[in-house]
Amino acid sequence: QSVLTQPPSVSAAPGQKVTISCSGDSSNIGKDYVSWYQQLPGAAPKLLIYNDNKRPSGIPDRFSGSKSGTSATLGITGLQTGDEADYYCGAWNSSLTVVFGGGTKLTVL
Amino acid sequence: QVQLVESGGGLVKPGGSLKLSCAASGFRFSDNYMTWIRQAPGKGLEWVSHISRSSSYTHYADSVKGRFTISRDNAKNSLFLQMDGLRAEDTAIYYCARGRLSFDYWGRGTLVTVSS
Repeated sequence: QSVLTQPPSVSAAPGQKVTISCSGDSSNIGKDYVSWYQQLPGAAPKLLIYNDNKRPSGIPDRFSGSKSGTSATLGITGLQTGDEADYYCGAWNSSLTVVFGGGTKLTVL
Repeated sequence: QVQLVESGGGLVKPGGSLKLSCAASGFRFSDNYMTWIRQAPGKGLEWVSHISRSSSYTHYADSVKGRFTISRDNAKNSLFLQMDGLRAEDTAIYYCARGRLSFDYWGRGTLVTVSS
């Protein structure tokens, strides 16, 4: 059971928009920054969003992050087949550790 | 460019030990917190441990506390994870990652299998 809650799967058609939610509590998301990671099949995770809504260099603006209270959301617009992957949220926890969500599998139909 | 390369994984019996290494290059290693994150087969990510720039601070997940020890050698740009008292549930790919709150670079991982 992961500390942060994500839907197991989401799907949308190419070109469409999808959102992935990440729910926590006041000891993690409600207290500190959220980050998001993309893990393509057979690859290591890749940072997509940090500090709730900032994109590292090289990440297209099709990817966006937001946060409200104890929940965060990753948005992906203009879906491409290459976006099919597992997506994870992560947050600093008051126990001085990092907690992750269980991951969401994105299918581009 | 930034590179993180893990090594040291393998097959070990329950109760055994293993030491993982992560060789870093392409950035100022001593300026960065470093973290170990693992992923059991077919499962999600699990934060394991991190270490501060000068090794002053270390933290561990409850699941490994007292069994795993993180360390680093800034002169050799290397990160380590000493794993003792290994259990079947420690079977996972172990990733080395740069950062503390978020992780901007990851290695490809090294597989640790704990089985008799």
